[in-house]
Amino acid sequence: EAGVTQFPSHSVIEKGQTVTLRCDPISGHDNLYWYRRVMGKEIKFLLHFVKESKQDESGMPNNRFLAERTGGTYSTLKVQPAELEDSGVYFCASSQDAGKNTEAFFGQGTRLTVV
Amino acid sequence: DAKTTQPNSMESNEEEPVHLPCNHSTISGTDYIHWYRQLPSQGPEYVIHGLTSNVNNRMASLAIAEDRKSSTLILHRATLRDAAVYYCILRTDGANNLFFGTGTRLTVIP
Repeated sequence: EAGVTQFPSHSVIEKGQTVTLRCDPISGHDNLYWYRRVMGKEIKFLLHFVKESKQDESGMPNNRFLAERTGGTYSTLKVQPAELEDSGVYFCASSQDAGKNTEAFFGQGTRLTVV
Repeated sequence: DAKTTQPNSMESNEEEPVHLPCNHSTISGTDYIHWYRQLPSQGPEYVIHGLTSNVNNRMASLAIAEDRKSSTLILHRATLRDAAVYYCILRTDGANNLFFGTGTRLTVIP
């Protein structure tokens, strides 16, 4: 069974450009999460989808970040325009259920470098 | 976010057992205790979770104190591949996301 896959694995862009990260969750997982770790900090929650709906986007840092999950399958996270402080590793996770008695499966992450 | 406290780092010799402690004195009666780990250059990986009783799986064991204010992740025989940052996370009602603290960086010495 395929795990959570993220694309690209690395991205280097210039400040002001746009970048789109993609996440393919495990098939059948309705719940999809985005997290990120910026340099020297802890892994932080960004948002949570249930199917195609945003359940919780309280962790999104500002309106330069836009997440979508059309059709409730894969998800994209767009950063526009990118700033230097957006550099970090972006992780996607999925789970079958959303409850506290559930494990989440993470992708390998996308390392974003803004120069 | 429910608070946990872990040592910043620990060391273990290869093939010896490792006990990774976690304090969660403010845990509520319905909070689950989860452990994840992050190997170098990889995404976090689920290890184990429990509520009240001790739990065992192929990766590790979780020992939960009777008052639930602390727990211990037990790796029965550490291997070099177990070198990672281990996160103890409380999952509470109404919070569907994971709150990662600083974790414990485990170094395994050959």
